[in-house]
Amino acid sequence: GAVVSQHPSRVICKSGTSVKIECRSLDFQATTMFWYRQFPKQSLMLMATSNEGSKATYEQGVEKDKFLINHASLTLSTLTVTSAHPEDSSFYICSATRSDRRGTDTQYFGPGTRLTVL
Amino acid sequence: DQQVKQNSPSLSVQEGRISILNCDYTNSMFDYFLWYKKYPAEGPTFLISISSIKDKNEDGRFTVFLNKSAKHLSLHIVPSQPGDSAVYFCAASWSNTGNQFYFGTGTSLTVIP
Repeated sequence: GAVVSQHPSRVICKSGTSVKIECRSLDFQATTMFWYRQFPKQSLMLMATSNEGSKATYEQGVEKDKFLINHASLTLSTLTVTSAHPEDSSFYICSATRSDRRGTDTQYFGPGTRLTVL
Repeated sequence: DQQVKQNSPSLSVQEGRISILNCDYTNSMFDYFLWYKKYPAEGPTFLISISSIKDKNEDGRFTVFLNKSAKHLSLHIVPSQPGDSAVYFCAASWSNTGNQFYFGTGTSLTVIP
């Protein structure tokens, strides 16, 4: 079965530092990956859509200079939280889309990364 | 390997009838389960959850059932409404992972008026 991994699973950093989170599709190529942030009441807010080889599409209200997304290959997308502040502390989840031969898309979620900014 | 599976990619139900969405998991360490609802181009919205100490949790039209011995949970929506049409994801986690979630691949529900 398809698996999407995230690394690291938890990270604690000081305010002002940058943190990189990796999202990998382990056994399939994903042309599209999504980054989400979890908010209270556990809903996930879509932050951006990451397409391999092109710039990410950010949702309204998400600072693209703060949350840098790089989709370097068909199996890897990275989210870098630059100059992190305590309010960036959250749970970040990625997902990757796999298309089958019939053109049906299935979305696979990573297990998430807990970021704590001190 | 997928630890949480939703084997039905789609489901169609008549308005007013019951919708039953199923989810199976393989890891017996999971102790907390959630259902999310997702509309296109939006993030998944939390719907309902259940901890492993319970076998049923109800919230309005939504009820989640957990069968630990079968490693199976289901979401019942009754009565189904057209606005319920969306993709539903189940997710599981266990306390030791600090809320890491393992998601199923989703079931697309269509409620026919």
